[in-house]
Amino acid sequence: DAGVIQSPRHEVTEMGQEVTLRCKPISGHDYLFWYRQTMMRGLELLIYFNNNVPIDDSGMPEDRFSAKMPNASFSTLKIQPSEPRDSAVYFCASSSTFSYNEQFFGPGTRLTVL
Amino acid sequence: AQSVTQPDIHITVSEGASLELRCNYSYGATPYLFWYVQSPGQGLQLLLKYFSGDTLVQGIKGFEAEFKRSQSSFNLRKPSVHWSDAAEYFCAVYGSSGDKLTFGTGTRLAVRP
Repeated sequence: DAGVIQSPRHEVTEMGQEVTLRCKPISGHDYLFWYRQTMMRGLELLIYFNNNVPIDDSGMPEDRFSAKMPNASFSTLKIQPSEPRDSAVYFCASSSTFSYNEQFFGPGTRLTVL
Repeated sequence: AQSVTQPDIHITVSEGASLELRCNYSYGATPYLFWYVQSPGQGLQLLLKYFSGDTLVQGIKGFEAEFKRSQSSFNLRKPSVHWSDAAEYFCAVYGSSGDKLTFGTGTRLAVRP
């Protein structure tokens, strides 16, 4: 298995632009998680899905952030409009109910908003 | 609600020395416990996990951890550290907070030559 795939690996954009981060979970996994990591705040859970349905989005910082999972093999995290304080590394992780929810992480997307 | 505490933010050890990273959790029942490692510029990689049974669990890269219910701890150990072990280490617990992991704040390990 290729593991969790994220794209792009690096994104540099200007303030006010829309940013879309993409994630392909491990095949057969029924949970998908989006995290954000910064030096100041550490690793934060933004939102997670079970069977493509958002379960808990309490970590989404504000309405500028949205996430979708249209099918079991694809999810997006969108920021519109982006702000410099959104600069961070965004991780996607997936897990399976049948493996005690051990999470497998993708390599992350490093976002820089100028 | 469950929580995880990693008391040490930074630790420096000499190459070849032994290592112990501390993790304390708060959870009413028997938790599922994990240790992850994050090398610079990389995602998190699972080192080891505890679900039940033997309280001493072995992981990858020569790491082990011991679950001690009486101390609510799940400390990570390695008998001899290699320079390549320099990374950030995260303890996590899965339990009552829905289906998500609760992560500690991480311990950054530096290795002296």
